[in-house]
Amino acid sequence: KQEVTQIPAALSVPEGENLVLNCSFTDSAIYNLQWFRQDPGKGLTSLLLIQSSQREQTSGRLNASLDKSSGRSTLYIAASQPGDSATYLCAATAYNQGGKLIFGQGTELSVKP
Amino acid sequence: ETGVTQTPRHLVMGMTNKKSLKCEQHLGHNAMYWYKQSAKKPLELMFVYNFKEQTENNSVPSRFSPECPNSSHLFLHLHTLQPEDSALYLCASSQDWASNQPQHFGDGTRLSIL
Repeated sequence: KQEVTQIPAALSVPEGENLVLNCSFTDSAIYNLQWFRQDPGKGLTSLLLIQSSQREQTSGRLNASLDKSSGRSTLYIAASQPGDSATYLCAATAYNQGGKLIFGQGTELSVKP
Repeated sequence: ETGVTQTPRHLVMGMTNKKSLKCEQHLGHNAMYWYKQSAKKPLELMFVYNFKEQTENNSVPSRFSPECPNSSHLFLHLHTLQPEDSALYLCASSQDWASNQPQHFGDGTRLSIL
């Protein structure tokens, strides 16, 4: 059974810092790995999707990496801004389970001005 | 701006009430999902509809009853709920029920059971 874990549960950094959010999964047989952002009282916004054949994806100041052999993914945020404050969720899609996403509990990020 | 709209945004109901949550998507997608997000717990998939057919029921109690009349609309009918059912209920849609298709989420309905 696939399990997804995110560490840390919460993170507070000063504005301008580069930071890394971690995601680990127990079953390396994944189809893809997605990172989402959730603002308070809102739904999820997809940030990056990494297919199992890929090592990383980049969008603006965000870079996500995937290492299936070690069961890990990281989300790197460069030059953090207060507007980056949100909860970041990762989700793995396992083989032979259609589009079923298995979510981690999220990392709550606070970027202080 | 999200292409997935959920109503109502907030709902307070007693345990004996019957209510329905509504989800509508204008993205031309064929798969729609219901998720439950409880405090301090990961999102849990509840139901999946693909081309209006239910393809997943993740061991959800029968007091939750989904309905998908067409590819654009999804309902969750609620009856005799328990306090532990208080949560954020999120709807999502994707092109179809395939592993490489990103899901688009609505803003959710915050449900409180008295």
